Amino acid sequence: ETGVTQSPTHLIKTRGQQVTLRCSSQSGHNTVSWYQQALGQGPQFIFQYYREEENGRGNFPPRFSGLQFPNYSSELNVNALELDDSALYLCASSVGGALSWAFNNEQFFGPGTRLTVL
Amino acid sequence: AQSVTQLGSHVSVSEGALVLLRCNYSSSVPPYLFWYVQYPNQGLQLLLKYTSAATLVKGINGFEAEFKKSETSFHLTKPSAHMSDAAEYFCAAQTGANNLFFGTGTRLTVIP
Repeated sequence: ETGVTQSPTHLIKTRGQQVTLRCSSQSGHNTVSWYQQALGQGPQFIFQYYREEENGRGNFPPRFSGLQFPNYSSELNVNALELDDSALYLCASSVGGALSWAFNNEQFFGPGTRLTVL
Repeated sequence: AQSVTQLGSHVSVSEGALVLLRCNYSSSVPPYLFWYVQYPNQGLQLLLKYTSAATLVKGINGFEAEFKKSETSFHLTKPSAHMSDAAEYFCAAQTGANNLFFGTGTRLTVIP
């Protein structure tokens, strides 16, 4: 069974640029959630995708957007990067929908992508 | 609104001593509760979870946590700390929506 993978592991961008982060979900999972973890903080929920549709969003501006593909992998896009966007971005996959409670809504996390904005 | 509070951003214990990391939640509905561990430059690993089946939950690496509704707490304990337990620990809560609300974390240092 393949776990959650994320790419790239590290990324350096300059302010104003755009970035795309990628996540492959664990086998059998149909839901992907994205979190931002600033240095010294707990992860903050950005949004979740279930069956290619956004299924909940945290308090993040529209320049944070995402996609989910038919194979349930996902992308996180951030436009007009700001210095405060520097963080570890975590992706988590889970079983969503009617079966979610059967799996206790457990989310499995990838290793993260460390984004530095200069 | 749902929130999670972790008391103590840093906790130091001697090797072999009791580990106690505190977590309180605020929710109108008893949530699912989780403890995650994060080692440097790594993602989050699930230690244990409370899903209303039993109030005392046993997890991996000798950790356990007790759900106390009257105190809205879900403290993490381990009887005897090992050097390998040094890491950042996060408490998280989840209700009807699928997103997790995390506390700000507690960094555990184990002194030899």
